[in-house]
Amino acid sequence: AQSVTQPDIHITVSEGASLELRCNYSYGATPYLFWYVQSPGQGLQLLLKYFSGDTLVQGIKGFEAEFKRSQSSFNLRKPSVHWSDAAEYFCAVGATNKLIFGTGTLLAVQP
Amino acid sequence: ETGVTQTPRHLVMGMTNKKSLKCEQHLGHNAMYWYKQSAKKPLELMFVYSLEERVENNSVPSRFSPECPNSSHLFLHLHTLQPEDSALYLCASSQEETSGVGQFFGPGTRLTVL
Repeated sequence: AQSVTQPDIHITVSEGASLELRCNYSYGATPYLFWYVQSPGQGLQLLLKYFSGDTLVQGIKGFEAEFKRSQSSFNLRKPSVHWSDAAEYFCAVGATNKLIFGTGTLLAVQP
Repeated sequence: ETGVTQTPRHLVMGMTNKKSLKCEQHLGHNAMYWYKQSAKKPLELMFVYSLEERVENNSVPSRFSPECPNSSHLFLHLHTLQPEDSALYLCASSQEETSGVGQFFGPGTRLTVL
């Protein structure tokens, strides 16, 4: 069955530190993969997406993600976190007619 | 207005009320979606419309009734809801309803059922 796992429910990092949010997926074919961010009281905003080709994809707000087929992973990274990055992050895999989302990782940023 | 808009942003209703949620997309997309977001649960896809036809209905109770009069508008009609239906209801749109296309989300309607 298709599924997405985000093993970290909550992560706290210091401002200026690097960030990596983990995402593992289960999908039978070549996946379409997405990362979304949700600020409090807001809808989801698309950060980046992977369809094919280069396994390192760049997104908005300085985020990038790397697709690793051998590990079934699509981890999100940012070299230096800003206080405004505090939000909830969702990984998703594209399936027929739908996106399947993980449960999200809540990111807190310490001054 | 740009993107995907939803009204109202907040709604409180009793279990015997009838209300409707509205979604409008200004992106020229032809697929629209309703999701339910409850605390500590993954987003649940409720309905998918492509070219104004419903293509997916994920075993949603009949007290939720979607309507898509055209490719820019999507409604969710609510009646005799239960307290467990309290959640954030998100609308999304995409260029088409295939799996490789990213979806654009509205800000959501926070629904509280008393």
